[in-house]
Amino acid sequence: DVKVTQSSRYLVKRTGEKVFLECVQDMDHENMFWYRQDPGLGLRLIYFSYDVKMKEKGDIPEGYSVSREKKERFSLILESASTNQTSMYLCASTVNSNQPQHFGDGTRLSIL
Amino acid sequence: LAKTTQPISMDSYEGQEVNITCSHNNIATNDYITWYQQFPSQGPRFIIQGYKTKVTNEVASLFIPADRKSSTLSLPRVSLSDTAVYYCLVGGMDTGRRALTFGSGTRLQVQP
Repeated sequence: DVKVTQSSRYLVKRTGEKVFLECVQDMDHENMFWYRQDPGLGLRLIYFSYDVKMKEKGDIPEGYSVSREKKERFSLILESASTNQTSMYLCASTVNSNQPQHFGDGTRLSIL
Repeated sequence: LAKTTQPISMDSYEGQEVNITCSHNNIATNDYITWYQQFPSQGPRFIIQGYKTKVTNEVASLFIPADRKSSTLSLPRVSLSDTAVYYCLVGGMDTGRRALTFGSGTRLQVQP
């Protein structure tokens, strides 16, 4: 069974801090994704990656960057955290474009 | 951007069949239709995927009419544990970012 692991379930940071959210998948999937989920807004795509060192902007990339140095690991970076980035962050992976995504359990991030 | 439309919420009772319909009027030829289930504090979980006609697995059925402009997720004999949010997703990564846009989902509440 595919396992997508996010490094933290809950995280509290301060405004202006640089924040790293880590995601690891164990099925050698090519594609990895970062979403944020807010009440009433569903899941919104921040960035995705279809190969090592490759990345594409999603719908809401502003204020975020990503890193994919190894196939199994996809990191989301908040360069200077702000209170409006308080949210649930979800990582997912998939083997190819038409296969279902496998999600981690999310990181609930609070920026104070 | 292409868009999916689902009811915001539905109520049912244990043992009943539940049908959730998703509209996707501008589905593209190569698009697949995928449904996910999400419980509180967890990532979405894949339920079923289809391209046309009918697909059935151990937990659900997916009905897709010939014009593919809508799809219906059918959950037979629901139980309390089926209370969750259900998302319809259309497309695949090769069709661009629109394919990775989750709507707000349908919140299903199953009563005893």
